[in-house]
Amino acid sequence: EVVLTQSPGTLSLSPGEGATLSCRASQSVPNTYLNWYQHKPGRAPRLLIYNVATRATGIPDRFSGSGSGTDFTLTISRLEPEDFAVYYCQQYGTAPVTFGGGTKVEIK
Amino acid sequence: QVHLQESGPRLVKPSETLSLTCSVSGISTIGYYWNWIRQSPVKGLEWIGYIFHTGSSRYNPSVRSRATVSLDTSKNQFTLRLTSVTAADTAVYYCAKWREGANAFDVWGLGTLVTVSS
Repeated sequence: EVVLTQSPGTLSLSPGEGATLSCRASQSVPNTYLNWYQHKPGRAPRLLIYNVATRATGIPDRFSGSGSGTDFTLTISRLEPEDFAVYYCQQYGTAPVTFGGGTKVEIK
Repeated sequence: QVHLQESGPRLVKPSETLSLTCSVSGISTIGYYWNWIRQSPVKGLEWIGYIFHTGSSRYNPSVRSRATVSLDTSKNQFTLRLTSVTAADTAVYYCAKWREGANAFDVWGLGTLVTVSS
């Protein structure tokens, strides 16, 4: 199966700063089937980005995704208070579906 | 608005069968892929399997021989059965809807913690 490694494990930032989250795959992810989710305690995980770079419905444009092959990035241009959460990448280029271990974005 | 809600026993004894139900509201279960995903501190997020309204299903090789996902379109709900559980099956279990085209899970339930312990 494809192993997704996310880095860093924790990102300590202040509101207004930018965040760059990395997701590296153990093998190339075909067909751009790489997605990002946001998860807050006590809430259902929320789809942010699908197919590497397409924002899901209602997701603000401060969230952007990029990458190809084995290296993917989620960028949050200016952190809002509601953006502090855990972020997961997920691939479906190769079965089975797999997820990364997550990056926690916390308030500095 | 589509809403998913997991329900079922929170405590299961080792070697017994874990059974969870996901109730779907706001959309028909017909025409979509319905999934179970779990999260534990050791394994992180792990996709378990899906069911389609035709009866087609697929499972993660890690649980294939023990997991069964079924769908009741008349009740608009689907279930997970996981047999011969061990402490390693202790996790938060989520149900989720798969969106074709996006090839992503676009709606999730809140999740329910199931503990395997005697």
